[in-house]
Amino acid sequence: QQQVKQSPQSLIVQKGGISIINCAYENTAFDYFPWYQQFPGKGPALLIAIRPDVSEKKEGRFTISFNKSAKQFSLHIMDSQPGDSATYFCAASMHNNAGNMLTFGGGTRLMVKP
Amino acid sequence: DADVTQTPRNRITKTGKRIMLECSQTKGHDRMYWYRQDPGLGLRLIYYSFDVKDINKGEISDGYSVSRQAQAKFSLSLESAIPNQTALYFCATSFYGTGELFFGEGSRLTVL
Repeated sequence: QQQVKQSPQSLIVQKGGISIINCAYENTAFDYFPWYQQFPGKGPALLIAIRPDVSEKKEGRFTISFNKSAKQFSLHIMDSQPGDSATYFCAASMHNNAGNMLTFGGGTRLMVKP
Repeated sequence: DADVTQTPRNRITKTGKRIMLECSQTKGHDRMYWYRQDPGLGLRLIYYSFDVKDINKGEISDGYSVSRQAQAKFSLSLESAIPNQTALYFCATSFYGTGELFFGEGSRLTVL
């Protein structure tokens, strides 16, 4: 079973709109929540990450909102641009003897229309 | 040049054939990983290695094996490929103490 559930699987947004991707997790021991961005033909790359001691983190047009009690976190892309069209993966990990092993969500394919 | 290099980038093979995917890195990271990407299933961990003498199974290791030939090289083998191993495979690296993974550009494998 997937420990990190991501929705929606695909998303179409008009240029200038807000893109929202949601993730829910099961394991309360998770303490690191990154988002990865993947362009066609490329490997995923870290976009932004949050730890559960804060409820929000913003980097430019990208914001992570984190709700510890609901075990949910989301990525908001403000003023979405065609160049943001990519697949986005949420992930979660916990620090233990095995190191920070990431568990990924299923991915969301975002298309931003001009 | 890419920091994490995968070869081949594309491979078509037949059921029952042995396949090796290779990964090399110039980042100097100690940890290396092999992931498999399937639509809707995200990235699933096949094997990982924290140093040259350390090999660990991931979530979906059945049908796969790995070799860590050097700190910079980590190869994935399919001893007898089957069609449901058709997927996009990624090698990744990380440095101890950080959560960030650095991915290669992927190897697309098709098993007919």
